[in-house]
Amino acid sequence: AQTVTQSQPEMSVQEAETVTLSCTYDTSESDYYLFWYKQPPSRQMILVIRQEAYKQQNATENRFSVNFQKAAKSFSLKISDSQLGDAAMYFCASIQGAQKLVFGQGTRLTINP
Amino acid sequence: EAGVAQSPRYKIIEKRQSVAFWCNPISGHATLYWYQQILGQGPKLLIQFQNNGVVDDSQLPKDRFSAERLKGVDSTLKIQPAKLEDSAVYLCASSLEGWSGGGEFFGPGTRLTVL
Repeated sequence: AQTVTQSQPEMSVQEAETVTLSCTYDTSESDYYLFWYKQPPSRQMILVIRQEAYKQQNATENRFSVNFQKAAKSFSLKISDSQLGDAAMYFCASIQGAQKLVFGQGTRLTINP
Repeated sequence: EAGVAQSPRYKIIEKRQSVAFWCNPISGHATLYWYQQILGQGPKLLIQFQNNGVVDDSQLPKDRFSAERLKGVDSTLKIQPAKLEDSAVYLCASSLEGWSGGGEFFGPGTRLTVL
């Protein structure tokens, strides 16, 4: 069974600084997708970034980038130039084949002005 | 493009009562999901539909939960009777592809409080 683990329940960062959120996963498949979702207090889950396992290049979306270490089964999210609007719960998730999307426990990110 | 719509946004009921949630996915999305998110946890998939057929309902408590997706568009999730531990946010999501390789689009959720 696929599992996703986020070992940081809470993180905080100063505005304009860089923060990295950690995620590890376990899968028996060679073809899978990894995601980071953002969930603000309004609770609307928003896709931040996705990574295809077969791609070696790390995905990037503006200030958000990932460090995908396939051998180590690690998938961290780096947020550069943190903004107050980045404050939210962040969930790492994975899916393999036709199986369901599995989420980690989440990391609550606080941005300090 | 309109997003995933859910109603109601909030619901408070007493235990043993019944409740129903409604979801309207993004137009053209064949796959619809219902997730349960207990406070402080990540969402857990309850049921996945492909058009109007069930793909996965392995984690749906079938003795009290039911879901349907008539005509492959809107969906309803029902709880009957509700228990205290059903207090959670119920998220509906939809995706264009048959599985979530394209990423899922989530609705705002329905926050259920069971007293």
